[in-house]
Amino acid sequence: VLTQSPSASASLGASVKLTCTLSSGHSTYAIAWHQQQPKKGPRFLLRLNSDGSHNKGAGIPDRFSGSSSGAERYLTISSLQSEDEGDYYCQTWGAGIVFGGGTKLTVL
Amino acid sequence: EVQLVESGGAVVQPGRSLRLSCATSGFTFADYAMHWVRQAPGKGLEWVSGIRWNSGSVVYADSVKGRFTISRDNAKNSLFLQMTSLRAEDTAFYYCVKDDSPQPSYFDFWGQGTLVTVSS
Repeated sequence: VLTQSPSASASLGASVKLTCTLSSGHSTYAIAWHQQQPKKGPRFLLRLNSDGSHNKGAGIPDRFSGSSSGAERYLTISSLQSEDEGDYYCQTWGAGIVFGGGTKLTVL
Repeated sequence: EVQLVESGGAVVQPGRSLRLSCATSGFTFADYAMHWVRQAPGKGLEWVSGIRWNSGSVVYADSVKGRFTISRDNAKNSLFLQMTSLRAEDTAFYYCVKDDSPQPSYFDFWGQGTLVTVSS
């Protein structure tokens, strides 16, 4: 239901856009993005609707934002910091609770 | 501040049972669905089970159906996972997770996890 690229990388201070793709028949679903820093439990970042509107979790910096286009759901992180390195998962609930495979983000 | 604190993880032999607990605070526990999510070492996240706010509906992943039982005690703000007939492939960190809604939707708070190791 959810497909993510296994890895991504970007330089310190730059921006990166991670993608989560919904499979056919599920393209209107909302999703949530979660971050998992190394050796830590996951943390909710934001909920993202099909129209691109989103609401962030408590304490999530403005550097994190979401957008949508068709079946694609994006997470953009601007002004990358070293602590942004980790795994990013998308999650949906429209056809049962499902996670994407995760994207490992490396900050260069 | 929302807090979810798991306990009960241990090393157990295949075929044995284990009960996980999650103590919560900082929100009205009875108003929200709750879940267990696990993560095998070096792997991604796998949803295990969820329970509605009033225990009126419980759901399980196919991988644990018939072996695991989720429950909650709204008076004690606690969530539980009874695991039986444990297998090596159940080895994972188990996270207690709060839903944003009374019925299953998206997760807005996570615990730090408790490790279950199934090994002889």
